[in-house]
Amino acid sequence: DTAVSQTPKYLVTQMGNDKSIKCEQNLGHDTMYWYKQDSKKFLKIMFSYNNKELIINETVPNRFSPKSPDKAHLNLHINSLELGDSAVYFCASSHNIAGGMGEQYFGPGTRLTVT
Amino acid sequence: AQSVTQLDSHVSVSEGTPVLLRCNYSSSYSPSLFWYVQHPNKGLQLLLKYTSAATLVKGINGFEAEFKKSETSFHLTKPSAHMSDAAEYFCVVTLGYGGSQGNLIFGKGTKLSVKP
Repeated sequence: DTAVSQTPKYLVTQMGNDKSIKCEQNLGHDTMYWYKQDSKKFLKIMFSYNNKELIINETVPNRFSPKSPDKAHLNLHINSLELGDSAVYFCASSHNIAGGMGEQYFGPGTRLTVT
Repeated sequence: AQSVTQLDSHVSVSEGTPVLLRCNYSSSYSPSLFWYVQHPNKGLQLLLKYTSAATLVKGINGFEAEFKKSETSFHLTKPSAHMSDAAEYFCVVTLGYGGSQGNLIFGKGTKLSVKP
């Protein structure tokens, strides 16, 4: 019973292409996130969605767009891929508790390689 | 502004010896603090969390961390390292206050190597 799942696990594509990464959680959480981990292992939040509303949008290029069809899914669309987009992308989810967020549960990651 | 600093990028210990991974944080509010572990080519797993309850927090796999407000530290320890502990460890602080919900700030990670 996978709690947070991502597809695909590996994605190799050429510059200029448009691609999507899917994320699903079966934990009943109401907030989902996307993180980017660069080659030096540094993790940075990109987006989060709470009740289908974007609440965090860090300074990422507008080529990246999150799409949430429902509370259990948060997909990441990337247009006009660039070499610098190569990274591991992690999806996560959490439950909104009083005073702040509960701990986040992470998916296994999607390794994106742009050639 | 919130931030977190992991003082060592790489720690190497022998199997059976103690582990100490150091973390200092900066936060305007009472923070929530976490340690996550990432094994090679794997996702992140929560080890433990501090959310203003007991200052000594016990986590999985024998790890624990102590919140010291006076030192703004949240160091991770384990009495005896095991080979399977070799991984990347991330100290994390959340804003988690008011409208800044869920914004996890990650440290740059500490790679733990365990020698036989």
